[in-house]
Amino acid sequence: EIVLTQSPATLFLFPGERATLSCRASQSISTYLAWYQQKPGQAPRLLIHDASTRAADIPARFSGSGSGTDFTLTISSLEPEDFAVYYCQQGSNWPLCSFGQGTKLEIK
Amino acid sequence: EVQLVESGGGLIHPGGSLRLSCAASGFTFSSYSMKWVRQAPGKGLEWVSYISSSGISIYYADSVKGRFTISRDNAKNSLYLQMNSLRVEDTAVYFCARDNRWDLDHWGQGTLVTVSS
Repeated sequence: EIVLTQSPATLFLFPGERATLSCRASQSISTYLAWYQQKPGQAPRLLIHDASTRAADIPARFSGSGSGTDFTLTISSLEPEDFAVYYCQQGSNWPLCSFGQGTKLEIK
Repeated sequence: EVQLVESGGGLIHPGGSLRLSCAASGFTFSSYSMKWVRQAPGKGLEWVSYISSSGISIYYADSVKGRFTISRDNAKNSLYLQMNSLRVEDTAVYFCARDNRWDLDHWGQGTLVTVSS
């Protein structure tokens, strides 16, 4: 079983600041990693796939990096609508998959 | 526009059964594998089940194996999840999602299943 650990659990930042979210895998997953954004009462939305490729219609302020076991989602300058919960998901053992426990991004 | 619409959730007693449906539109349903993912209240996301585009290949999370059955009807552009022997810990919002191999690129809005006596 591949376990994903996200940090921090909660991140408090001001609008306009840079956000850096981390996801660590329990074993190497190459670049088979995706990031999702979820707002209250909504379904998750795909932001990044293959560790660093933005999904369709995702703003350029979102970027992903990493390979192997360590991955980062960066939001370069936070907009008010970016405050949400973010999940990473690995697809290395597709068709199975697993998710991290999430990072909640809150307004300071 | 890709659309996935779940239905069939509700309140059910422990040990009961429920069948969820997911109606797909806006893409060639028969060309895509699909997944069910659930989210318990206030908790994170948990993968539940996978079905290949043809329906031949099927996988389940250990937590639901032997109790849940995934299926699809490509003629009706529909995905299903038959849930038997339901437990309190199965209480969650259930999402269907289009499987894009390494990620899930489109999700439904979810349907709430509450298992309680």
